[in-house]
Amino acid sequence: KNEVEQSPQNLTAQEGEFITINCSYSVGISALHWLQQHPGGGIVSLFMLSSGKKKHGRLIATINIQEKHSSLHITASHPRDSAVYICAVDFMYSGGGADGLTFGKGTHLIIQP
Amino acid sequence: DAGVTQSPTHLIKTRGQHVTLRCSPISGHKSVSWYQQVLGQGPQFIFQYYEKEERGRGNFPDRFSARQFPNYSSELNVNALLLGDSALYLCASSWLTGDSYEQYFGPGTRLTVT
Repeated sequence: KNEVEQSPQNLTAQEGEFITINCSYSVGISALHWLQQHPGGGIVSLFMLSSGKKKHGRLIATINIQEKHSSLHITASHPRDSAVYICAVDFMYSGGGADGLTFGKGTHLIIQP
Repeated sequence: DAGVTQSPTHLIKTRGQHVTLRCSPISGHKSVSWYQQVLGQGPQFIFQYYEKEERGRGNFPDRFSARQFPNYSSELNVNALLLGDSALYLCASSWLTGDSYEQYFGPGTRLTVT
């Protein structure tokens, strides 16, 4: 079964701390997405990765294809970073067509002032 | 440019009724995917459409159907609603079909079935 596991499920930290959220998956992928979801439901795409590392502002995403693992880092965290961070994976699919993204359960991040 | 839009924002229906949810993708995007997110869970894939054709379907019953129009907007239809259909329904658009392209999500439609 193709699975996506995230850790931790919940994370509370103080403003300014360095945050790491982890994602592991079971089989080969074509791409991995990091998404942010705020209360009320709207989802924002942060990164899409198939290899290496990407950086946008205070956010950094890395992926290790051999280890089937990705991390999302937030530097100098701020209360406005409080949200649910979701890892979603496009598993390699040999049957043609599309099978959608497979999502992790998300990491609830709270940054306290 | 406008992002992905969905309507309605919220909806309350009774068991057994039918519902239609609508999605307008970002201009120039030809692929639309639908996801169901039950409270406390990650989204689950329902359908993907590209150029008005179904490209993929998740593990959902035949009560769920969808279509894509010539302007690339899409409708998700759910018949014979069950209490378990209560969820946030998300639409995502991308330039091409497949999930290895950046996905842009709409704000979702929150459906409550009573």
